[in-house]
Amino acid sequence: NAGVTQTPKFRVLKTGQSMTLLCAQDMNHEYMYWYRQDPGMGLRLIHYSVGEGTTAKGEVPDGYNVSRLKKQNFLLGLESAAPSQTSVYFCASRPNEVTEAFFGQGTRLTVV
Amino acid sequence: GENVEQHPSTLSVQEGDSAVIKCTYSDSASNYFPWYKQELGKGPQLIIDIRSNVGEKKDQRIAVTLNKTAKHFSLHITETQPEDSAVYFCAASMEATDSWGKLQFGAGTQVVVTP
Repeated sequence: NAGVTQTPKFRVLKTGQSMTLLCAQDMNHEYMYWYRQDPGMGLRLIHYSVGEGTTAKGEVPDGYNVSRLKKQNFLLGLESAAPSQTSVYFCASRPNEVTEAFFGQGTRLTVV
Repeated sequence: GENVEQHPSTLSVQEGDSAVIKCTYSDSASNYFPWYKQELGKGPQLIIDIRSNVGEKKDQRIAVTLNKTAKHFSLHITETQPEDSAVYFCAASMEATDSWGKLQFGAGTQVVVTP
């Protein structure tokens, strides 16, 4: 049982490059989330999805786009990476609004 | 939208003592309050949660209390052990239409248990 899997685990980008982070869950969860974690700032919500084909903005959505074409996958895209996007990114999923969220192991992204 | 504040940001306790972390939330419609533990290099994991129709919940050495009137909830860890050292996050969620599905976290508390 894989749970929530994030790909890649580490990445270094140059300013202006683009990339896509993949989150895959095998628990048939409806809700999926992307967070970024920076020192002293906790987990800040970037975008989230409440079902296949739906997405919504969190508190820090600028510079990111997402897609949920398949229920099990939630993609986070950076079109033109900036040093301010250097962070650890976590994906999470859960069945509904009042249950446990399961997190992936994180993606450490450095933009130089 | 919902805003969750967490205190303290760091907490150092002697092994065997108790640790208390407090969170406040802004939206009275929030009705689900989980606590997560994050160990170094790993993703957060749920340790306990509470729903708005319950005032207190306990699981061995861990307990959570909720005061809906004051809009705050707390995590209590008794008889702390070195393996309790980690970052702890509180969060709030609701079933209300305009914040449907959001899971908002506090800034985290670094707990250090010294032998």
